[in-house]
Amino acid sequence: AQSVSQHNHHVILSEAASLELGCNYSYGGTVNLFWYVQYPGQHLQLLLKYFSGDPLVKGIKGFEAEFIKSKFSFNLRKPSVQWSDTAEYFCAARGNTDKLIFGTGTRLQVFP
Amino acid sequence: DTGVSQDPRHKITKRGQNVTFRCDPISEHNRLYWYRQTLGQGPEFLTYFQNEAQLEKSRLLSDRFSAERPKGSFSTLEIQRTEQGDSAMYLCASSFDRGNGYTFGSGTRLTVV
Repeated sequence: AQSVSQHNHHVILSEAASLELGCNYSYGGTVNLFWYVQYPGQHLQLLLKYFSGDPLVKGIKGFEAEFIKSKFSFNLRKPSVQWSDTAEYFCAARGNTDKLIFGTGTRLQVFP
Repeated sequence: DTGVSQDPRHKITKRGQNVTFRCDPISEHNRLYWYRQTLGQGPEFLTYFQNEAQLEKSRLLSDRFSAERPKGSFSTLEIQRTEQGDSAMYLCASSFDRGNGYTFGSGTRLTVV
């Protein structure tokens, strides 16, 4: 069955710390991968997406993600987090249909 | 303004009542999606449309749920005989084609009492 797993449910960091959020997917065939962010009280916003090509994808606000096919992973990274990065982060995947499957999310808290 | 509008923002209803939500996608987007999100969980796929055709419906969706997109523009999601377990945030998203991401609305929060 198609699924997306996020292993870190809650991450707490201090400002300027580096961030890596894990995402693993289970899909057969071609897969498109996404990271979304949901700031408190706001709607889901697209951070970045991977369809093909360079496995290192750069997104908005200094985020990047690396697609590692052999590990079925698409981890999100940021070298130095800010207090304003406090939010919930969702990894999502799509196969041959338009249905987007989400992980359970990772809540990130950044303290000044 | 996200471009995807959902109405109402909040709905409180008594168990057993019917409710209907509306979603207005970005005007040039031909694909429209409904998701449900509960606290501490990621959005759960319900159904999606390409133009007016409903192409996929989640097996998790009971027959109390129905969605329509009659003219390929706005969509409605109706829940009949609501149950407390239906309490959730109902999200709508739209996209133009597979080459882009999905734009989400702010959602309709349903509380069944």
